[in-house]
Amino acid sequence: AQSVTQLDSQVPVFEEAPVELRCNYSSSVSVYLFWYVQYPNQGLQLLLKYLSGSTLVESINGFEAEFNKSQTSFHLRKPSVHISDTAEYFCAVSGTVGWYGKLTFGQGTILTVHP
Amino acid sequence: DGGITQSPKYLFRKEGQNVTLSCEQNLNHDAMYWYRQDPGQGLRLIYYSQIVNDFQKGDIAEGYSVSREKKESFPLTVTSAQKNPTAFYLCASSITGDSTDTQYFGPGTRLTVL
Repeated sequence: AQSVTQLDSQVPVFEEAPVELRCNYSSSVSVYLFWYVQYPNQGLQLLLKYLSGSTLVESINGFEAEFNKSQTSFHLRKPSVHISDTAEYFCAVSGTVGWYGKLTFGQGTILTVHP
Repeated sequence: DGGITQSPKYLFRKEGQNVTLSCEQNLNHDAMYWYRQDPGQGLRLIYYSQIVNDFQKGDIAEGYSVSREKKESFPLTVTSAQKNPTAFYLCASSITGDSTDTQYFGPGTRLTVL
């Protein structure tokens, strides 16, 4: 079985401040890790994913996440946020073998960027 | 433009009625998924299908049914057996169903059962 815990349900920050959204997972097998973003009243979009190799992965809009196997974490960070980053962010995990694309999602973190 | 279409955007039904949610994709993806989203609970997998005419139960399949007669379509029926059907339903697809694939999501259907 797998589980994902997003430690903060809401994170308010001011524009241009740094932000970290925390994600911890539990799994008995090797995992792939994902961050998805959901803008209001829309579906989810992939932000970034860790499959293998470098533990630091980056998105095209300045977010990055680091896979820490010993701490079973995959925290999402951005050094300077914009108003447009306001959204709900979901961390997700899938097993690497025999999981057939099934994702287990965390509860979500609502990021609100204030001017 | 390629993408996933879910209709309708909002759906209202009386308690005890079955209702079918539509999901269509023109991405030529083999795999399709249905998730339920409730506030503060994230997304939970209802059913998934890796190929036409085959589908598997997810974590919360009770009270739901699906079919996959065409590659492009994966409709979800919410039956009267589902005890708490009011939720936001999201359909997704991926190229092969491999766990490395990115899942592409539709805009969702918000179902309210009165």
